[in-house]
Amino acid sequence: DIVMTQSPFSLAVSEGEMVTINCKSSQSLLSSGNQKNYLAWYQQKPGQSPKLLIYYASTRQSGVPDRFIGSGSGTDFTLTISDVQAEDLADYYCLQHYSYPLTFGSGTKLEIK
Amino acid sequence: QVQLKESGPGLVQPSQTLSLTCTVSGFSLTSYNVHWVRQPPGKGLEWMGRMRYNGDTSYNSALKSRLSISRDTSKNQVFLKMNSLQTDDTGTYYCTSLEGYWGQGVMVTVSS
Repeated sequence: DIVMTQSPFSLAVSEGEMVTINCKSSQSLLSSGNQKNYLAWYQQKPGQSPKLLIYYASTRQSGVPDRFIGSGSGTDFTLTISDVQAEDLADYYCLQHYSYPLTFGSGTKLEIK
Repeated sequence: QVQLKESGPGLVQPSQTLSLTCTVSGFSLTSYNVHWVRQPPGKGLEWMGRMRYNGDTSYNSALKSRLSISRDTSKNQVFLKMNSLQTDDTGTYYCTSLEGYWGQGVMVTVSS
């Protein structure tokens, strides 16, 4: 199984600041066939179901603000949230969908100071 | 409009079997995959398994001995059955396409 190591466990920032969340996979998520990285990012606000933010490591889901940026390739990935807003208070998870069984990262809790 | 909705018992006794149903609308089970994801209270997401559009299934390695996913395409329903439940199986169970559509989740408590 592919192991997803996500960091940090939690972070607290003020509105307007930038945050970076990291996810490292135990093997490459890059498909040699289509050169796509099978890594997605999800946001889960308190009391809600998760919401897809980013897929193929860097493609923003429709309707997701452009302050959410996914980057990385191979085994190292990053979710950057620029100009953090109060509404971004949530847990964030990475998910590898390169191979089954699928595996999530352990999550990052974002708090707003 | 795509919707997924989970249903099932809120309380299951230890050692018993959990049976959940995911009813989908707005898309065909023969065209899209449906996954089950669970979340213990206050903890992270765990992928459980998948019903592929062609009827194939895949399972979480740690759960595969206890877990079964099936479907009824005529009713647009996907089923999850997991046996030998223990208290650490308590949590919210979601069905999802993973591509952007999630159910609201169903809370399952394992307790006597």
